[in-house]
Amino acid sequence: AQSVAQPEDQVNVAEGNPLTVKCTYSVSGNPYLFWYVQYPNRGLQFLLKYITGDNLVKGSYGFEAEFNKSQTSFHLKKPSALVSDSALYFCAVRDISQGGKLIFGQGTELSVKP
Amino acid sequence: GAVVSQHPSRVICKSGTSVKIECRSLDFQATTMFWYRQFPKQSLMLMATSNEGSKATYEQGVEKDKFLINHASLTLSTLTVTSAHPEDSSFYICSARTLAGQMYNEQFFGPGTRLTVL
Repeated sequence: AQSVAQPEDQVNVAEGNPLTVKCTYSVSGNPYLFWYVQYPNRGLQFLLKYITGDNLVKGSYGFEAEFNKSQTSFHLKKPSALVSDSALYFCAVRDISQGGKLIFGQGTELSVKP
Repeated sequence: GAVVSQHPSRVICKSGTSVKIECRSLDFQATTMFWYRQFPKQSLMLMATSNEGSKATYEQGVEKDKFLINHASLTLSTLTVTSAHPEDSSFYICSARTLAGQMYNEQFFGPGTRLTVL
């Protein structure tokens, strides 16, 4: 079965510093990987996805993610964090064997302090 | 990008009553819609998947008679929580996906509905 893991429940970063939110995956076959962000009491917003091609994927709001097949990772990164980036971040993998439904990680709460 | 709306955004009801939540895709046709449940600061739990015009597929452990899902058109799906109890209080989020390239496309999420059962 496909799965993703986000090893950190919370990440704290100072504004202006680079941020990384970690995600590792376990899939059979080619992985279809996604990052979403959720602000309080809101639904999820799509940030970026990896389907095929370049390992470095650029997404919304200055975020990017690096697909690393050997390490089975898909870490989310941003060169310079903003206080407004504080939110809950979810990594997800599409499970092709189960009709394409998204399997979410447990989420990582990012806190960016001024 | 594609927009998904939910109505209501917040509902408070008495125990034993039924509550209907609507999910609409505003600018695209959603052949598949998903309903999720989320507890505070936790991940999304998929409840069911519905394809337009057919019965919903429920995840293991989700009571289909309690959580009625209807996907009557390509732009509307409804979730009805029947005989709601306090333990049904949660944040319910719908999501929609188009047919084209469905394996590669992202899902679009609604803003969520906060249900509180007294």
